[in-house]
Formats: sequence, C-alpha cells, structure tokens
Amino acid sequence: DAGVIQSPRHEVTEMGQEVTLRCKPISGHNSLFWYRQTMMRGLELLIYFNNNVPIDDSGMPEDRFSAKMPNASFSTLKIQPSEPRDSAVYFCASSLINSPLHFGNGTRLTVT
Amino acid sequence: AQSVAQPEDQVNVAEGNPLTVKCTYSVSGNPYLFWYVQYPNRGLQFLLKYITGDNLVKGSYGFEAEFNKSQTSFHLKKPSALVSDSALYFCAVKGDSSYKLIFGSGTRLLVRP
Repeated sequence: DAGVIQSPRHEVTEMGQEVTLRCKPISGHNSLFWYRQTMMRGLELLIYFNNNVPIDDSGMPEDRFSAKMPNASFSTLKIQPSEPRDSAVYFCASSLINSPLHFGNGTRLTVT
Repeated sequence: AQSVAQPEDQVNVAEGNPLTVKCTYSVSGNPYLFWYVQYPNRGLQFLLKYITGDNLVKGSYGFEAEFNKSQTSFHLKKPSALVSDSALYFCAVKGDSSYKLIFGSGTRLLVRP
C-alpha cells in the first residue's frame, strides 16, 4: 500500500486566496483525521470523519475552514480566505477504529 | 478531559547508552496509549501501542514502553541508542470510548556519536 497520500507537499499563497489541501487515505480505513502542526500549538485535531461522515469538527478554527469527504478514498480541507496565521503543516491521517493512525507526509502551507 | 504531558523538550544521550523519553497522561476510562516518531519533513510514524495486557510493550526499531497505571505514565525506552534515532517523539492517548487521539507536545531526541 502507498500509505496516506497528501497533495500538494508545499503550498505558497497570498493572503485572501483560497487554498485546497487533498488527501487520499489508505484503502479500507474508515476513519480520517485532519491535523495541523505548528511550533506554538503542536498537533491540533481539526476534524474527524468516520465512514465519510464528519463526526467532530470542533477543532476547525473558524468558518474560513471547511472539510469534505465525498467518498472513502478522498478528502479535502479548504481555507477561504487564507490568512498568514494559517501557515502550518497540515496532516491527514487514516485508520481503522481503535487502530494506530497512519499519517501522510503533510502539506506545508505558507500564506504571505 | 484527556491530556498528555511530555515534560522534556529535548533529551540528549550518547550513542550506545540507554534512553528514556517521558510521558504522563490523564484520560477517562481505560487508556489507549501510543508513541509516534517524526523525522524532518515527514509525517508521524507509529512506534508502539498499549491497549491491554503486559505492561511492557515492544515496538519498532528496538523501542519499548512501560505502562504504569498508578503513576499514569507511559515512558518510551531503548536499551542502546543509535544516532539514527534522533528525531521528534510524540506520546498520544485516547480513552477506550473516545475516537479523539490527543498528542503531547513532543520531545526532541538527540543522540550524539
């Protein structure tokens, strides 16, 4: 298996622009998580999907953030409009219930 | 509420010496405990887990961790450190009735030759 695949690996954009991050989970995994990593706040859970349904989005920082999972093999995290404070590394992870998470290599987002 | 504490920002050891990276936790119900490692520009990689059973858990790359219920600790250990073990290590916990995995702040391990 290729593991969790995230794209792009790096994204540089200007403040106010829309940013879309993509994730392909491991086939057969029914749980998907989006995390954000920063030096100041560490790893923060943004949203959790189970069987493609959003279960907990309490970690999404603002209405500017949205996430979708239209099918079992694809998820997106969108920021619109982006702001400099959104600069971080965004990770997608997938798993079976109560099993270890498998992380992608992340998307490093820089908003100028 | 769930929480994880990694009291050391950095641990320095000489190659060949034993290493310990500390972790304490707070959780409702029975804990599911995990250790992950992160290398530069990579995602987190699973090392080992404790769910139930033997308090000493063995994982990847020669790492092990000891679950101590009375001290609510889950310290990561390795008998003989390698330079290639230098990385960022995260402890994580969830309750047995929760899906939410909470990560500690991470401990940077530096193994000098």
